[in-house]
Amino acid sequence: QSVLAQPPSVSGAPGQRVTISCTGISSNIGAGHDVHWYQQLPGTAPKLLIYGSTDRPSGVPDRFSGSKSGTSASLAITGLQADDEADYYCQSYDGSLSAWVFGGGTKLTVL
Amino acid sequence: QVQVEQSGGEVKKPGASVKVSCKASGHTFSGFGISWVRQAPGQGLEWMGWVSVYNGDTNYTQKYQGRVTMTTDASTNTAYMELTNLRSDDTAVYYCGVNSGYSYGSIDFWGQGTLVTVSS
Repeated sequence: QSVLAQPPSVSGAPGQRVTISCTGISSNIGAGHDVHWYQQLPGTAPKLLIYGSTDRPSGVPDRFSGSKSGTSASLAITGLQADDEADYYCQSYDGSLSAWVFGGGTKLTVL
Repeated sequence: QVQVEQSGGEVKKPGASVKVSCKASGHTFSGFGISWVRQAPGQGLEWMGWVSVYNGDTNYTQKYQGRVTMTTDASTNTAYMELTNLRSDDTAVYYCGVNSGYSYGSIDFWGQGTLVTVSS
């Protein structure tokens, strides 16, 4: 059971928009801690996709965007492409645990 | 751009220890933090802890306290993670990642991962 809750899977057709939620509580996202998002393509290491809840590292397409409100955060992907198929993880700091925590991950399938 | 290279896979017996290395290049190492994350087969990411290259401060998740030691060697731009008293459920890919300052706690650059297999 992960501290941050993510849907196990989402899917969408090429060109569509999908969102992945990351739900926390008052000791992590609700406490104002930033959320970071990672993309893990099959058989590879994770890659930073969104940092500071809303910012993209250089090289990440603007099809990917992040938002945060209250105890939740979301990752939106527009203009879905086949090579977006991957696992996506959110991460935040939990003050009660004094540790960084990941969500359980969401598998994105492009239909 | 920072490149991160980890040591190769390991096979260990239960009760043994493993030490994984993580070498960063392409930027001033002394300003980094190094995070360690593990991924059991077919499972999600699990944050294990963090070490400051600047002063050696560490923060280990409670689950691994007493079994894990994270260190750095600024002279060689290398970080290490040692896990002792290995069990079969420690079989996982261990990743190191560089916290270079994009945002508090973000793992900005990742190593390729090191598979540690624990089997008798």
